[in-house]
Amino acid sequence: GQNIDQPTEMTATEGAIVQINCTYQTSGFNGLFWYQQHAGEAPTFLSYNVLDGLEEKGRFSSFLSRSKGYSYLLLKELQMKDSASYLCAVSPADTGGFKTIFGAGTRLFVKA
Amino acid sequence: ETGVTQSPTHLIKTRGQQVTLRCSSQSGHNTVSWYQQALGQGPQFIFQYYREEENGRGNFPPRFSGLQFPNYSSELNVNALELDDSALYLCASSPISGGADEQFFGPGTRLTVL
Repeated sequence: GQNIDQPTEMTATEGAIVQINCTYQTSGFNGLFWYQQHAGEAPTFLSYNVLDGLEEKGRFSSFLSRSKGYSYLLLKELQMKDSASYLCAVSPADTGGFKTIFGAGTRLFVKA
Repeated sequence: ETGVTQSPTHLIKTRGQQVTLRCSSQSGHNTVSWYQQALGQGPQFIFQYYREEENGRGNFPPRFSGLQFPNYSSELNVNALELDDSALYLCASSPISGGADEQFFGPGTRLTVL
């Protein structure tokens, strides 16, 4: 089966750095995605990791370790607008890569 | 470039009724996926359409069905509505088939079943 685990909620302070972890159990997958979803809105793409290592994109970075079944999203210089849910997702290879499985999301609250 | 659009925005139905939700994919995208998102949960994959054919399906009963049209727009049909079908239904398009690409989500249709 496929399971994705993320913390339910996190709180951080404006200007700080926060790391949102994601662990997964799946037999194999094409890549791992991170999406951001503001309340009442659609998810928007943040990152896609295929290979192990860190991918940096502005204030956001994403890390993947396939051997450890682990990923994290790192948000630097937090802003109030970063308050949102962050969704970790994988496309399992045993489903032909057509199916994307999302975690329940981590709700991040950024306080002043 | 027009983004993904969905209609209607909100919908209220009663148990046993049928509903059709619509999605227009982003220009140039030939793949559409549908998701159900319950409150406080992540999106759950329903199915994907590629060039008018169902390309993959999640763990949803047959009363969830869909169509994709030659212009790559899509419909999600749900028959015999149940209370648990109340959720946000998201449509996402991507330029290629399979999960190995960024998906662009529409704003969703909020379905309430009474």
